[in-house]
Amino acid sequence: QQQVKQSPQSLIVQKGGISIINCAYENTAFDYFPWYQQFPGKGPALLIAIRPDVSEKKEGRFTISFNKSAKQFSLHIMDSQPGDSATYFCAASRGFQKLVFGTGTRLLVSP
Amino acid sequence: GAGVSQSPSNKVTEKGKDVELRCDPISGHTALYWYRQRLGQGLEFLIYFQGNSAPDKSGLPSDRFSAERTGESVSTLTIQRTQQEDSAVYLCASSFSRGNEQFFGPGTRLTVL
Repeated sequence: QQQVKQSPQSLIVQKGGISIINCAYENTAFDYFPWYQQFPGKGPALLIAIRPDVSEKKEGRFTISFNKSAKQFSLHIMDSQPGDSATYFCAASRGFQKLVFGTGTRLLVSP
Repeated sequence: GAGVSQSPSNKVTEKGKDVELRCDPISGHTALYWYRQRLGQGLEFLIYFQGNSAPDKSGLPSDRFSAERTGESVSTLTIQRTQQEDSAVYLCASSFSRGNEQFFGPGTRLTVL
C-alpha cells in the first residue's frame, strides 16, 4: 500500500514534443504529490508538486494532472528540450513525513 | 548554508569495514531525512529526524545501519560491517518542520568492494 508505481521506465521524445510520465498510488492517505528531476551525479530537485484538492497545476512548461478517483497523477512536459533530458521521479507523502518514490523515468529529448 | 551538503562525495571501502556518512542540512530546517538510491532505481527511505529525535526509523534495512543527529544540524549515517549490497548513493534531505518540500544534497556514492 506504500508503493508508487511509475511508467514508463524510459522515454525518448523529439525536441518540441510532449513528454508524459504516469504514476499510480494505493494509499488514499497520501496528500502531497511532488515530481523530482535528477541529473547524473546530482541529488533530486523539486520540479512541481500538487495536493489532491486540485486536478491540475501548471508551472511554465510543466503540468501535473491529478485524478483522485483513479489514484493516478501524471507529469506533462510541453515543448520538450534537450536540457530536459534527465531522470524524473514521482513521489507521495502523508502529512509532513517521508516521501515514497516511484522507480523513475529516464527521459531523453533528441535534438 | 546555501543548500544541503554531504561528505564525502565518494567512499570506497572494503567489505566488513565501518563507514560514516555526513549530512549538513539547510540552516533552519528541523526535519532531516536519509534515503538510499541503488543504481538505476528509485529512492528508498531510511530514517527521519525531527530535531535530534528519530520518530521514524522504519526504513533502516538492518541493525548494521544507525544514524544520529546533533541538535538541529549535522547528521551522520553509520553502516557497520559493510556488505557489497550496501553499495548505493546515500542521499540526505532537509525541510522545515511543517514543510513538505524536501531539499536534497548531492549524495555520497558508497562502493563496497
